[in-house]
Amino acid sequence: EPEVTQTPSHQVTQMGQEVILRCVPISNHLYFYWYRQILGQKVEFLVSFYNNEISEKSEIFDDQFSVERPDGSNFTLKIRSTKLEDSAMYFCASRDRGEKLFFGSGTQLSVL
Amino acid sequence: SQQGEEDPQALSIQEGENATMNCSYKTSINNLQWYRQNSGRGLVHLILIRSNEREKHSGRLRVTLDTSKKSSSLLITASRAADTASYFCATGPMDSSYKLIFGSGTRLLVRP
Repeated sequence: EPEVTQTPSHQVTQMGQEVILRCVPISNHLYFYWYRQILGQKVEFLVSFYNNEISEKSEIFDDQFSVERPDGSNFTLKIRSTKLEDSAMYFCASRDRGEKLFFGSGTQLSVL
Repeated sequence: SQQGEEDPQALSIQEGENATMNCSYKTSINNLQWYRQNSGRGLVHLILIRSNEREKHSGRLRVTLDTSKKSSSLLITASRAADTASYFCATGPMDSSYKLIFGSGTRLLVRP
């Protein structure tokens, strides 16, 4: 069964450093998402991406965040200058024209 | 405002018993979905119910939706130890065709 893959599974970085989280959505999907989950808390929407542009973003997704689909397969989330409070599990998700989201296994980001 | 709040936050039952989880939300929705998350893993879609539906079944899962009360319930019948996971409701808001908003989740423990 096709799946969303995310790399790396764990990322440790120093505060102020840039990180790029990578995702390969399911190949025929059209809509792409990033969510995050701080330990023990709810899954929070960050951004949705469709037709090569951001379709919606949350208040969390400020100027420090950016997304890119550099080629036909990858979908990346960049955090320009990480803060301690960016430590979380980051999930990529994708879907086709249906409403069901398919999630990757996540990247655990630890900012020290 | 928060969309999608589950209760209880945690539920512990014996194998073979039924588990009921509830979700409340605030805004008008197109659909409501339930997802499952095993510890430290991505979310897996379980079932979707549209705003014009009242009840839906899938295997041992039964979902109800009451749009007048802005609430939904997920019933897992004849629970198994393997059902141990966190369960999240997610709403597709009427004013957005792009994002799903997740609740805070119910942690279900099924004791063998």
